[in-house]
Amino acid sequence: QKEVEQNSGPLSVPEGAIASLNCTYSDRGSQSFFWYRQYSGKSPELIMFIYSNGDKEDGRFTAQLNKASQYVSLLIRDSQPSDSATYLCAVFASGGSYIPTFGRGTSLIVHP
Amino acid sequence: GAVVSQHPSRVICKSGTSVKIECRSLDFQATTMFWYRQFPKQSLMLMATSNEGSKATYEQGVEKDKFLINHASLTLSTLTVTSAHPEDSSFYICSARERSRPYEQYFGPGTRLTVT
Repeated sequence: QKEVEQNSGPLSVPEGAIASLNCTYSDRGSQSFFWYRQYSGKSPELIMFIYSNGDKEDGRFTAQLNKASQYVSLLIRDSQPSDSATYLCAVFASGGSYIPTFGRGTSLIVHP
Repeated sequence: GAVVSQHPSRVICKSGTSVKIECRSLDFQATTMFWYRQFPKQSLMLMATSNEGSKATYEQGVEKDKFLINHASLTLSTLTVTSAHPEDSSFYICSARERSRPYEQYFGPGTRLTVT
């Protein structure tokens, strides 16, 4: 059973702070890692993805991948109240099925 | 680009009736479409995967005779909830991807189904 674990939160941070969201996965052969944002009552929207170890930056978002430790993180700099949402981690395992396993999501609250 | 639409966005039906939900990729050819269900404050649950022109592959525990999926073209997939019951009330979301980018899924806006 391939598992993707996320702390359900809520993670509460003040406006302007860095929010750090973490995700661990069980399949060591996992290849690709995606972060989605889901506002309440809406469907997920893709934020960014990462394939290689290290950091990948896109605007205020940075994805960090450590395959040896089997975790992937999403950092949100200068957090805004509009960032308040649930963040879903999706992991593509090895084997070429191209079907992701989603974590349960972490609820982020950015308070003014 | 990569826009996926769903129709209807919200539907209320009576117990025992059937409901059809459409999922369309508007600006790309969706070789694969996924159907998810999400209960309040729960994670996405994959129901089935459908490839254009093939029968859908259902996840364990999902009744294929109750949730009929058709993916007849590269831009349209439908999910029919047959003989709906109140416990089928949920948020149904489709996603689609194209062959050239197999890791990237684009989600539709979702359909809120309420069965009374």
